[in-house]
Amino acid sequence: AQSVTQLDSQVPVFEEAPVELRCNYSSSVSVYLFWYVQYPNQGLQLLLKYLSGSTLVKGINGFEAEFNKSQTSFHLRKPSVHISDTAEYFCAVSVTTQGGSEKLVFGKGTKLTVNP
Amino acid sequence: DAGITQSPRYKITETGRQVTLMCHQTWSHSYMFWYRQDLGHGLRLIYYSAAADITDKGEVPDGYVVSRSKTENFPLTLESATRSQTSVYFCASSDRGRGELFFGEGSRLTVL
Repeated sequence: AQSVTQLDSQVPVFEEAPVELRCNYSSSVSVYLFWYVQYPNQGLQLLLKYLSGSTLVKGINGFEAEFNKSQTSFHLRKPSVHISDTAEYFCAVSVTTQGGSEKLVFGKGTKLTVNP
Repeated sequence: DAGITQSPRYKITETGRQVTLMCHQTWSHSYMFWYRQDLGHGLRLIYYSAAADITDKGEVPDGYVVSRSKTENFPLTLESATRSQTSVYFCASSDRGRGELFFGEGSRLTVL
């Protein structure tokens, strides 16, 4: 079964420092990968997605992620974070069911806290 | 306004009562999903629907019932609420299962 593991539950960083949030997936077939962000008391919104093509994917708010098939990873990076990036980040993989429909399976999330 | 709305946003109920959480989207997306979010578990899929009158179980369907008679609505019913169903529930929609999900703001349910 396809699944996602987010290796860090919490990541504290200082403002303007770089950050990497790690995500590994397990899948034996082609994968479609996503990062979502959840700000406090809000729903989730899409940061970026990898469907095919270039392995370096750029998203909103200066975030980017690199798809690495050999390491089954899809780590999220930002070269310089802001206080406003404080949020919870979720990695997700698309799963195709036996019936042919598709759904997203999420990791447990990484809480990013940016300190002044 | 276009979008996906959930109601109620906050609900307190007692063990054994029936509760229905409503979800309405205005995009005519074919896919709709219900997730629950709990500390330490991330988001777990309860039920999803690929189209009107087509629903299927997710990871944690026990104790929940869904229906989808109209494309735009996807209510989630807890037939006899239990304390373990205290959670934040998120509805989402997508024009296809793969790709961008659009989430509602969540419904925080407390079962006493």
